[in-house]
Amino acid sequence: KQEVTQIPAALSVPEGENLVLNCSFTDSAIYNLQWFRQDPGKGLTSLLLIQSSQREQTSGRLNASLDKSSGRSTLYIAASQPGDSATYLCAVRQTDRMDSNYQLIWGAGTKLIIKP
Amino acid sequence: DGGITQSPKYLFRKEGQNVTLSCEQNLNHDAMYWYRQDPGQGLRLIYYSQIVNDFQKGDIAEGYSVSREKKESFPLTVTSAQKNPTAFYLCASSPIETGFREKLFFGSGTQLSVL
Repeated sequence: KQEVTQIPAALSVPEGENLVLNCSFTDSAIYNLQWFRQDPGKGLTSLLLIQSSQREQTSGRLNASLDKSSGRSTLYIAASQPGDSATYLCAVRQTDRMDSNYQLIWGAGTKLIIKP
Repeated sequence: DGGITQSPKYLFRKEGQNVTLSCEQNLNHDAMYWYRQDPGQGLRLIYYSQIVNDFQKGDIAEGYSVSREKKESFPLTVTSAQKNPTAFYLCASSPIETGFREKLFFGSGTQLSVL
């Protein structure tokens, strides 16, 4: 059974630093992996989606990488800002078929605090 | 503006009471989902629906019920059989066509607490 882990559960860094968030998964046979952002008491916003055939995706100051063989993905945030403070969640999808394995498997998230 | 509206934002349940959480979307999405979020845990799927008048159980459906009478609406009822209902509930929707299914949109959530 696929399990997704995000360590650490919380991270606090000074403004301006570059940082890396980690996401590990136990079954390398994935279809894609997504990174989401969640602000306190709010819903989730999709940040980046990496297909299993891709190595990385970039959007602005965010770069997500995927290494299926090692079961790892990282989210790199450059030049962090206080507005980046949020919880970041990763989620894995194992198949494109609309069956029981289609649904996302979620990590518990990393709560990021950027100190001014 | 297109989006997903969840209401209420906060809800309190008395013991033995059923409560219903509302989820409405105007994105014309076929698929809708209900997730439960507990502190320190990943999101867990309660129910999902890919088409009107049809829905499937997710990983933790016991103690919950849903209906999908309209494409825009997917209400979740937390029944008295759910003994630990305190959690943050998230509704989401997505297109169903291949290539667009990954576009998952979330509502702002409902925090349910037990009195």
